[in-house]
Amino acid sequence: EGQLVESGGGLMQPGGSLRLSCVASGLTVSGTHMNWVRQAPGKGLEWVSVIYSGDNTFYADHVKGRFTIARDNSKNTLYLQMNSLRDDDTAVYYCATQYKYGPRGAFDIWGQGTMVTVSS
Amino acid sequence: DVQMTQSPSSLSASVGDRVTITCRASHSIIDYLHWYQQKPGKAPKLLIYAASSLQSGVPSRFSGSGSGTDFTLTISSLQPEDFATYYCQQTYSTPRTFGQGTKVEVK
Repeated sequence: EGQLVESGGGLMQPGGSLRLSCVASGLTVSGTHMNWVRQAPGKGLEWVSVIYSGDNTFYADHVKGRFTIARDNSKNTLYLQMNSLRDDDTAVYYCATQYKYGPRGAFDIWGQGTMVTVSS
Repeated sequence: DVQMTQSPSSLSASVGDRVTITCRASHSIIDYLHWYQQKPGKAPKLLIYAASSLQSGVPSRFSGSGSGTDFTLTISSLQPEDFATYYCQQTYSTPRTFGQGTKVEVK
């Protein structure tokens, strides 16, 4: 069974940048569809971005132009580059993969999450 | 974007109760509908995929039904470990929207 471990969260000032990482084991990031999902404190789940196995990428409107999803196949790692951070980007960020069920499938493997706090 | 509306937003139930949560999509998503369980401080866990298929390792008291725009998650006999928040999600189109969640609390 695959496993995902996120890191890179922390406290940032508005306007700052941060890069989140998600290291995969038991699966290859190049061979599956990888997502970022976030959850603001006390709120629900919000999809952020996806990179498909064919390298197509998509973003939620609220992060488009500020966030970039990418992967390093040699390190089996997914990234989320977050620029121009805003207060409302404060959330736990999860990486999640559509491992078994294809590009329209469920998110069947999740990491434990990493907390990003944007505050002055 | 496909909007997902869950109801109720919260419910109180007792161990042994039958619990039903509904999820409605703003337009047809065929059966690209999945259910997740989340406990405080933990990542979501997949319960049901493709509207009605039980994820491996998930107890059979969980079941899902529906197609098109209306979907249901049923817990046939609520157990102590089932008190949690449940989310539906559509993967028919991007963005992959979630419902707002249903918190199942102890009565």
